[in-house]
Amino acid sequence: ETGVTQTPRHLVMGMTNKKSLKCEQHLGHNAMYWYKQSAKKPLELMFVYSLEERVENNSVPSRFSPECPNSSHLFLHLHTLQPEDSALYLCASSQALPGQGARGNTIYFGEGSWLTVV
Amino acid sequence: SQQGEEDPQALSIQEGENATMNCSYKTSINNLQWYRQNSGRGLVHLILIRSNEREKHSGRLRVTLDTSKKSSSLLITASRAADTASYFCATLRDTGRRALTFGSGTRLQVQP
Repeated sequence: ETGVTQTPRHLVMGMTNKKSLKCEQHLGHNAMYWYKQSAKKPLELMFVYSLEERVENNSVPSRFSPECPNSSHLFLHLHTLQPEDSALYLCASSQALPGQGARGNTIYFGEGSWLTVV
Repeated sequence: SQQGEEDPQALSIQEGENATMNCSYKTSINNLQWYRQNSGRGLVHLILIRSNEREKHSGRLRVTLDTSKKSSSLLITASRAADTASYFCATLRDTGRRALTFGSGTRLQVQP
Protein backbone atom coordinates (compact mmCIF):
# COMPACT_ATOMS: atom_id res chain seq x y z
CA GLU A 1 0.00 0.00 0.00
CA THR A 2 1.68 3.19 -1.20
CA GLY A 3 -0.91 5.67 0.05
CA VAL A 4 -2.14 6.40 -3.48
CA THR A 5 -5.46 4.76 -4.35
CA GLN A 6 -6.83 4.52 -7.85
CA THR A 7 -10.33 3.51 -8.87
CA PRO A 8 -11.54 1.69 -10.79
CA ARG A 9 -8.76 -0.85 -11.26
CA HIS A 10 -10.27 -2.02 -14.53
CA LEU A 11 -12.51 -0.15 -16.95
CA VAL A 12 -13.93 -1.13 -20.31
CA MET A 13 -15.61 1.62 -22.25
CA GLY A 14 -16.97 2.23 -25.70
CA MET A 15 -15.67 5.00 -27.89
CA THR A 16 -18.73 7.14 -27.29
CA ASN A 17 -18.80 6.72 -23.51
CA LYS A 18 -17.83 9.23 -20.86
CA LYS A 19 -16.06 7.85 -17.82
CA SER A 20 -13.68 9.06 -15.15
CA LEU A 21 -10.65 7.67 -13.37
CA LYS A 22 -10.18 8.69 -9.76
CA CYS A 23 -7.03 9.01 -7.71
CA GLU A 24 -6.76 9.79 -4.02
CA GLN A 25 -3.58 10.18 -2.02
CA HIS A 26 -3.43 9.91 1.76
CA LEU A 27 0.13 11.19 2.11
CA GLY A 28 -0.40 14.92 2.46
CA HIS A 29 1.44 15.52 -0.79
CA ASN A 30 1.14 18.71 -2.83
CA ALA A 31 1.94 17.41 -6.31
CA MET A 32 0.00 14.85 -8.33
CA TYR A 33 0.56 13.30 -11.74
CA TRP A 34 -1.11 11.23 -14.42
CA TYR A 35 1.09 8.87 -16.45
CA LYS A 36 0.07 6.56 -19.29
CA GLN A 37 1.77 3.20 -19.74
CA SER A 38 1.24 1.36 -23.02
CA ALA A 39 2.75 -1.96 -23.97
CA LYS A 40 6.43 -1.74 -24.90
CA LYS A 41 6.52 2.05 -24.57
CA PRO A 42 8.01 4.27 -21.89
CA LEU A 43 5.76 5.80 -19.31
CA GLU A 44 4.30 8.95 -20.80
CA LEU A 45 3.75 11.91 -18.53
CA MET A 46 0.30 13.37 -19.15
CA PHE A 47 -0.41 16.02 -16.53
CA VAL A 48 1.23 17.55 -13.48
CA TYR A 49 -0.61 19.37 -10.72
CA SER A 50 0.92 21.33 -7.88
CA LEU A 51 -1.34 22.65 -5.14
CA GLU A 52 -4.35 22.01 -7.38
CA GLU A 53 -2.90 24.06 -10.22
CA ARG A 54 -2.01 22.37 -13.49
CA VAL A 55 1.65 23.06 -14.15
CA GLU A 56 2.21 20.79 -17.11
CA ASN A 57 0.09 19.43 -19.90
CA ASN A 58 2.26 17.20 -22.02
CA SER A 59 0.44 17.70 -25.35
CA VAL A 60 -2.36 15.39 -24.31
CA PRO A 61 -5.44 15.23 -26.59
CA SER A 62 -8.48 17.07 -25.31
CA ARG A 63 -10.42 13.82 -25.00
CA PHE A 64 -8.48 13.47 -21.73
CA SER A 65 -9.52 16.12 -19.23
CA PRO A 66 -7.90 16.27 -15.80
CA GLU A 67 -9.45 17.76 -12.70
CA CYS A 68 -7.83 18.43 -9.34
CA PRO A 69 -10.47 19.70 -6.89
CA ASN A 70 -8.07 19.59 -3.93
CA SER A 71 -4.56 18.44 -3.21
CA SER A 72 -5.71 14.94 -2.26
CA HIS A 73 -7.82 14.10 -5.29
CA LEU A 74 -7.11 13.90 -8.98
CA PHE A 75 -9.49 12.83 -11.72
CA LEU A 76 -9.03 11.99 -15.36
CA HIS A 77 -12.23 12.47 -17.34
CA LEU A 78 -12.42 10.39 -20.49
CA HIS A 79 -14.59 11.22 -23.50
CA THR A 80 -14.75 9.77 -27.03
CA LEU A 81 -11.58 7.76 -26.62
CA GLN A 82 -9.93 5.67 -29.31
CA PRO A 83 -8.85 2.01 -29.08
CA GLU A 84 -5.21 3.16 -29.05
CA ASP A 85 -5.94 4.90 -25.75
CA SER A 86 -6.20 1.48 -24.11
CA ALA A 87 -3.43 1.40 -21.52
CA LEU A 88 -2.58 1.38 -17.85
CA TYR A 89 -3.14 4.83 -16.39
CA LEU A 90 -1.00 5.53 -13.37
CA CYS A 91 -1.56 8.25 -10.83
CA ALA A 92 1.30 9.39 -8.65
CA SER A 93 2.03 11.98 -6.01
CA SER A 94 5.02 13.62 -4.38
CA GLN A 95 5.44 15.91 -1.44
CA ALA A 96 6.59 18.70 -3.74
CA LEU A 97 7.45 19.07 -7.40
CA PRO A 98 10.71 17.40 -8.41
CA GLY A 99 13.60 19.76 -7.95
CA GLN A 100 11.93 21.61 -5.07
CA GLY A 101 14.43 20.26 -2.62
CA ALA A 102 14.54 16.71 -1.36
CA ARG A 103 10.78 16.59 -0.75
CA GLY A 104 9.99 16.27 -4.42
CA ASN A 105 12.45 13.59 -5.25
CA THR A 106 10.41 10.47 -4.63
CA ILE A 107 7.08 9.94 -6.28
CA TYR A 108 4.59 7.39 -5.09
CA PHE A 109 2.46 5.53 -7.58
CA GLY A 110 -0.97 4.02 -7.31
CA GLU A 111 -1.66 0.54 -8.64
CA GLY A 112 -3.08 1.93 -11.86
CA SER A 113 -6.34 1.74 -13.75
CA TRP A 114 -6.43 -0.65 -16.68
CA LEU A 115 -8.44 0.97 -19.44
CA THR A 116 -9.75 -0.89 -22.47
CA VAL A 117 -11.50 1.08 -25.20
CA VAL A 118 -13.68 -1.02 -27.48
CA SER B 1 12.56 11.09 -28.05
CA GLN B 2 12.69 9.58 -24.59
CA GLN B 3 15.15 10.74 -22.00
CA GLY B 4 16.05 7.38 -20.47
CA GLU B 5 16.63 4.13 -22.26
CA GLU B 6 17.31 0.91 -20.44
CA ASP B 7 19.46 -1.90 -21.67
CA PRO B 8 18.87 -4.78 -21.99
CA GLN B 9 15.14 -4.80 -22.64
CA ALA B 10 14.88 -8.24 -21.05
CA LEU B 11 17.18 -10.24 -18.81
CA SER B 12 16.82 -13.79 -17.52
CA ILE B 13 19.13 -15.13 -14.82
CA GLN B 14 19.26 -17.86 -12.20
CA GLU B 15 18.60 -17.23 -8.55
CA GLY B 16 21.78 -16.21 -6.76
CA GLU B 17 23.32 -14.54 -9.81
CA ASN B 18 23.82 -10.81 -10.12
CA ALA B 19 21.68 -8.73 -12.46
CA THR B 20 22.97 -5.60 -14.12
CA MET B 21 20.77 -3.12 -15.94
CA ASN B 22 21.92 0.00 -17.72
CA CYS B 23 20.29 3.31 -18.44
CA SER B 24 21.36 6.02 -20.84
CA TYR B 25 19.94 9.51 -21.03
CA LYS B 26 20.35 12.55 -23.21
CA THR B 27 20.25 15.80 -21.25
CA SER B 28 21.94 17.02 -18.10
CA ILE B 29 20.15 15.89 -14.99
CA ASN B 30 19.55 16.86 -11.38
CA ASN B 31 19.16 13.26 -10.26
CA LEU B 32 18.45 9.77 -11.55
CA GLN B 33 16.18 7.28 -9.88
CA TRP B 34 15.39 3.61 -10.29
CA TYR B 35 11.92 2.20 -9.88
CA ARG B 36 10.56 -1.32 -9.88
CA GLN B 37 7.22 -2.50 -11.24
CA ASN B 38 5.66 -5.88 -10.64
CA SER B 39 3.51 -7.03 -13.53
CA GLY B 40 0.46 -4.82 -13.97
CA ARG B 41 1.05 -2.90 -10.76
CA GLY B 42 2.30 0.55 -9.82
CA LEU B 43 5.93 1.57 -9.69
CA VAL B 44 7.89 1.56 -6.46
CA HIS B 45 10.88 3.80 -5.81
CA LEU B 46 14.12 1.93 -5.18
CA ILE B 47 17.01 4.35 -5.04
CA LEU B 48 18.04 7.87 -6.05
CA ILE B 49 21.46 9.10 -7.07
CA ARG B 50 22.26 12.78 -7.45
CA SER B 51 24.25 14.22 -10.31
CA ASN B 52 27.23 14.89 -8.04
CA GLU B 53 27.33 11.30 -6.78
CA ARG B 54 29.05 8.41 -8.52
CA GLU B 55 27.86 5.39 -6.58
CA LYS B 56 25.20 4.53 -4.08
CA HIS B 57 24.20 1.38 -2.20
CA SER B 58 20.97 0.22 -0.65
CA GLY B 59 20.84 -3.34 0.60
CA ARG B 60 21.46 -5.61 -2.41
CA LEU B 61 21.22 -2.67 -4.80
CA ARG B 62 24.17 -0.77 -6.16
CA VAL B 63 23.72 2.19 -8.50
CA THR B 64 26.43 3.97 -10.40
CA LEU B 65 26.22 7.20 -12.34
CA ASP B 66 28.60 8.48 -15.00
CA THR B 67 27.50 11.95 -16.01
CA SER B 68 30.23 12.24 -18.64
CA LYS B 69 28.74 9.25 -20.45
CA LYS B 70 25.19 10.10 -19.42
CA SER B 71 24.65 6.60 -18.15
CA SER B 72 23.73 4.73 -15.00
CA SER B 73 23.70 1.12 -13.97
CA LEU B 74 21.67 -0.80 -11.42
CA LEU B 75 23.21 -3.94 -9.96
CA ILE B 76 21.11 -6.38 -7.97
CA THR B 77 23.34 -8.83 -6.15
CA ALA B 78 22.40 -12.36 -5.11
CA SER B 79 19.13 -12.17 -6.98
CA ARG B 80 15.98 -13.89 -5.76
CA ALA B 81 12.87 -15.08 -7.58
CA ALA B 82 11.01 -12.23 -5.87
CA ASP B 83 13.21 -9.74 -7.76
CA THR B 84 11.36 -10.68 -10.95
CA ALA B 85 9.87 -7.40 -12.18
CA SER B 86 10.45 -4.56 -14.61
CA TYR B 87 13.01 -1.96 -13.64
CA PHE B 88 12.87 1.62 -14.86
CA CYS B 89 15.28 4.49 -14.65
CA ALA B 90 13.84 7.96 -14.33
CA THR B 91 15.61 11.25 -14.69
CA LEU B 92 14.94 14.71 -13.43
CA ARG B 93 16.36 17.28 -15.79
CA ASP B 94 18.37 20.25 -14.59
CA THR B 95 15.90 22.69 -16.10
CA GLY B 96 12.52 22.68 -17.72
CA ARG B 97 10.10 19.82 -17.13
CA ARG B 98 8.92 19.52 -13.57
CA ALA B 99 8.42 15.78 -13.51
CA LEU B 100 10.41 12.61 -13.88
CA THR B 101 10.97 11.13 -17.33
CA PHE B 102 11.00 7.34 -17.48
CA GLY B 103 12.63 4.88 -19.83
CA SER B 104 11.10 1.77 -21.37
CA GLY B 105 12.34 -0.52 -18.63
CA THR B 106 14.23 -3.79 -18.32
CA ARG B 107 12.17 -6.92 -17.67
CA LEU B 108 14.08 -9.10 -15.24
CA GLN B 109 13.20 -12.75 -14.83
CA VAL B 110 14.92 -14.59 -11.99
CA GLN B 111 14.58 -18.35 -12.34
CA PRO B 112 14.34 -20.27 -9.06
